[in-house]
Amino acid sequence: RKEVEQDPGPFNVPEGATVAFNCTYSNSASQSFFWYRQDCRKEPKLLMSVYSSGNEDGRFTAQLNRASQYISLLIRDSKLSDSATYLCVVTAYIPTFGRGTSLIVHP
Amino acid sequence: DTGVSQNPRHKITKRGQNVTFRCDPISEHNRLYWYRQTLGQGPEFLTYFQNEAQLEKSRLLSDRFSAERPKGSFSTLEIQRTEQGDSAMYLCASSQGPDTGELFFGEGSRLTVL
Repeated sequence: RKEVEQDPGPFNVPEGATVAFNCTYSNSASQSFFWYRQDCRKEPKLLMSVYSSGNEDGRFTAQLNRASQYISLLIRDSKLSDSATYLCVVTAYIPTFGRGTSLIVHP
Repeated sequence: DTGVSQNPRHKITKRGQNVTFRCDPISEHNRLYWYRQTLGQGPEFLTYFQNEAQLEKSRLLSDRFSAERPKGSFSTLEIQRTEQGDSAMYLCASSQGPDTGELFFGEGSRLTVL
């Protein structure tokens, strides 16, 4: 079983849609959680950290459920520019990446 | 530009040759990571340095791979006797300790082994 699992997608949604991505992790000792964004042929960049209390940054909301070892990312009012791969990252000692979920937002 | 710098950006080599990649992290960052990424997959951890000490190596890192960070600044990743399966993007990232926070990635070094 992989340490961090994500549905690879692709998720194909129209502009303005709300889309949610999920991620599960296997190491219960994990302490830090993040979502990174990776554009095609570019390096990953931090989108947002994920806290137990949940956190929001504009159209993006991240949630953490430690009991279920589950992280989510919600994107509201999708824009064309949101098209990218979204990587879930979980850290117990070393940052461990999921395979990423591909999002395609179309007009 | 004070971001993470990697070179070369692209390397094409024949099977059996040795290659070396260099990473210059953000200057005040004490942590440096090497990852490998293939198409459709997320970055896969290879090795990690805190200052000049190599603290962790993935079991995926065969004895053909070696990494150094001699003065706690730049790092090199060498692959000896390359194989076609080594073809990938090699990503370097740095972060500021003590807790694992944001990773800042370089643009990567793409290796193609013919």
